[in-house]
Amino acid sequence: QKEVEQNSGPLSVPEGAIASLNCTYSDRGSQSFFWYRQYSGKSPELIMSIYSNGDKEDGRFTAQLNKASQYVSLLIRDSQPSDSATYLCAVMRGSNYKLTFGKGTLLTVNP
Amino acid sequence: EPEVTQTPSHQVTQMGQEVILRCVPISNHLYFYWYRQILGQKVEFLVSFYNNEISEKSEIFDDQFSVERPDGSNFTLKIRSTKLEDSAMYFCASRETDRVGSSGNTIYFGEGSWLTVV
Repeated sequence: QKEVEQNSGPLSVPEGAIASLNCTYSDRGSQSFFWYRQYSGKSPELIMSIYSNGDKEDGRFTAQLNKASQYVSLLIRDSQPSDSATYLCAVMRGSNYKLTFGKGTLLTVNP
Repeated sequence: EPEVTQTPSHQVTQMGQEVILRCVPISNHLYFYWYRQILGQKVEFLVSFYNNEISEKSEIFDDQFSVERPDGSNFTLKIRSTKLEDSAMYFCASRETDRVGSSGNTIYFGEGSWLTVV
C-alpha cells in the first residue's frame, strides 16, 4: 500500500523562527510532490509543488525533495501566527494522477 | 482567481437517504476528483473522472456512490443510501492537465461539503 508519512505534531515554534516539516513516501514511482495548508474545517490550499531533486523557494517557503531517500520537506522562514495550521504532504504517481495524502502536521506559531 | 465551487456547504441527512453533492470545477480543467475527510483523519481519495468516465476509484467508492457530469459545468457525487460512517467533509477538486512538472498538474480543491448523517 502506498503510504505518505508525516509527524503528526503538534510542532510549536515561536514567531519569527523557522518551522521544519517533514514527509516520507513509500512509492518510488511518485513524480509530483505537493504541500498543502489546511486550516481547521477548511479545504486544502496549495502552498508549493516540487518535481525535481533539490530545493525550491517561494517567498518564505522552501520545499526540498530527495527522491533517493524518498523524503520531502517544507521550511517556513519567519513563521507568523497566521501560519498556524495543519500542513499536508501529498504525492502523485505519474501514471494515475491522484493525490495520496499524509495525515498532516499541526503547526502552532506562538506570538 | 478561478475556483472550484461546491454546494451545499453543509447537509444533515437521515441514515438511508440519498444525498447529492454538487461541484462546479474550474472552467478549463479536464480532470475531476472527489475526496473525503472524516473528522480528525486524513484526506482520502474517492474517485477520479476524465473524458466523461471514471478513470480510477478507491475501495471506499462502492456501489452506493456514483458520479456524474450532467452538463458542461457541473460534477456531482451521489450517495444512494447514506450510512453513519459516511459523515465527513467531501471535497471536489479539479486539474487542468496531466503534464508532470507543469503548473497545470496541480489539483485545486473546493471549500468542501460537510455531510452529517444522523
